[in-house]
Amino acid sequence: AQKITQTQPGMFVQEKEAVTLDCTYDTSDQSYGLFWYKQPSSGEMIFLIYQGSYDEQNATEGRYSLNFQKARKSANLVISASQLGDSAMYFCAMREVFPGGGNKLTFGTGTQLKVEL
Amino acid sequence: DAGVIQSPRHEVTEMGQEVTLRCKPISGHDYLFWYRQTMMRGLELLIYFNNNVPIDDSGMPEDRFSAKMPNASFSTLKIQPSEPRDSAVYFCASSFRSQPQHFGDGTRLSIL
Repeated sequence: AQKITQTQPGMFVQEKEAVTLDCTYDTSDQSYGLFWYKQPSSGEMIFLIYQGSYDEQNATEGRYSLNFQKARKSANLVISASQLGDSAMYFCAMREVFPGGGNKLTFGTGTQLKVEL
Repeated sequence: DAGVIQSPRHEVTEMGQEVTLRCKPISGHDYLFWYRQTMMRGLELLIYFNNNVPIDDSGMPEDRFSAKMPNASFSTLKIQPSEPRDSAVYFCASSFRSQPQHFGDGTRLSIL
């Protein structure tokens, strides 16, 4: 079974600074996908970024980048130039794909990020 | 484009009542997922469908929970009878094949 670990329950960062949110995973699959989602206090789940296990380059989406280290089984999210609106819960997730098209996500426990002035 | 639409946004009901949560996935998406989020257990996958067919319902807590997807544009999650421990935020999400899942805004359910 797949497992996602987020060891930082809470993080603080100063506005305009960069912050790294940690995520490690465990799987015996060769093909898998890693995702990050943001959940602001309003409750919705917002997809941020995706990294495939065969992707050689780290994924980037605007101020978000995913630091993918396959050998270490880590997929850390880096947010550059933090903004007050980045304050939210962040979830790392891994996709398991089954023969025949099955496709499910396993989520970590999340990291609560607070951006301060 | 419209995202995943869930209704109601909030539901408060008494223990023992039937609760029905509704979801309209993004048009063209072939996967639909139901999740439950609580402080104690985090985000849990309850069930998911592929092309309207239930694929994995191993996350459904017990027989009081049931889910249907009668067509590609509608799904329901039903709890009967409801219990206080069912109080949670229930999310519906959809995706096209193995592309990222897009979530609805969730239904905040309170069982008194």
